[in-house]
Amino acid sequence: EIVLTQSPATLSLSPGERATLSCRATQSVSNYLAWYQQKPGQAPRLLIYDASNRATGIPARFSGSGSGADFTLTISSLEPEDFAVYYCQQRANWPRYTFGQGTKLEI
Amino acid sequence: EVQLVESGGGLVQPGGSLRLSCAASGFSFNSYVMSWVRQTPGKGLEWVSSITGSGETTFYADSVKGRFTISRDNSKDTLDLLMSSLRGDDTAIYYCAQEAGTYTSWGQGTLVTVSS
Repeated sequence: EIVLTQSPATLSLSPGERATLSCRATQSVSNYLAWYQQKPGQAPRLLIYDASNRATGIPARFSGSGSGADFTLTISSLEPEDFAVYYCQQRANWPRYTFGQGTKLEI
Repeated sequence: EVQLVESGGGLVQPGGSLRLSCAASGFSFNSYVMSWVRQTPGKGLEWVSSITGSGETTFYADSVKGRFTISRDNSKDTLDLLMSSLRGDDTAIYYCAQEAGTYTSWGQGTLVTVSS
């Protein structure tokens, strides 16, 4: 099983600041890495797929990078609505996708 | 607009059974792999099961294999998950998800609680 480790577990920032979230895999997943945002009481929402492609309707302040086993989600300038939990997910081993444990982005 | 609406969750005793359903709309249902993903505070997000667009091929996580059965009715655009021999560690929010390379759309989730 491909295990994804996200860091940090919690990130405390203020609106307007830049956020950098990390996801590391136990083996290469090529570029088959997605990022999701989840707010309390809601389902996860796809932000980034295949490491660097924004999903439909996702603002340009969200960007993804990386390949192989190390990936980064960057939010260039935090908006109040961006404070949520973020998960990475690999799709290299279809259909046995796995998720990271999440990074909580808090004010 | 893609819509996925789950139903069927609730409280069930250990060893019991429950059927979850997911009603889909806004896309060509039979063209997509559909999956169930669950979420718990302790284990986070976990893939449970997937089914191909035709319904011919199914896949299960080891943790539910032999206990859960995924199915779909492409004439009604519905996805089901029959869960049996339920255990406490099956307690979770269960989401159905449309898969197009990754989980592109999710339902709102339905809570399953396994407890006596």
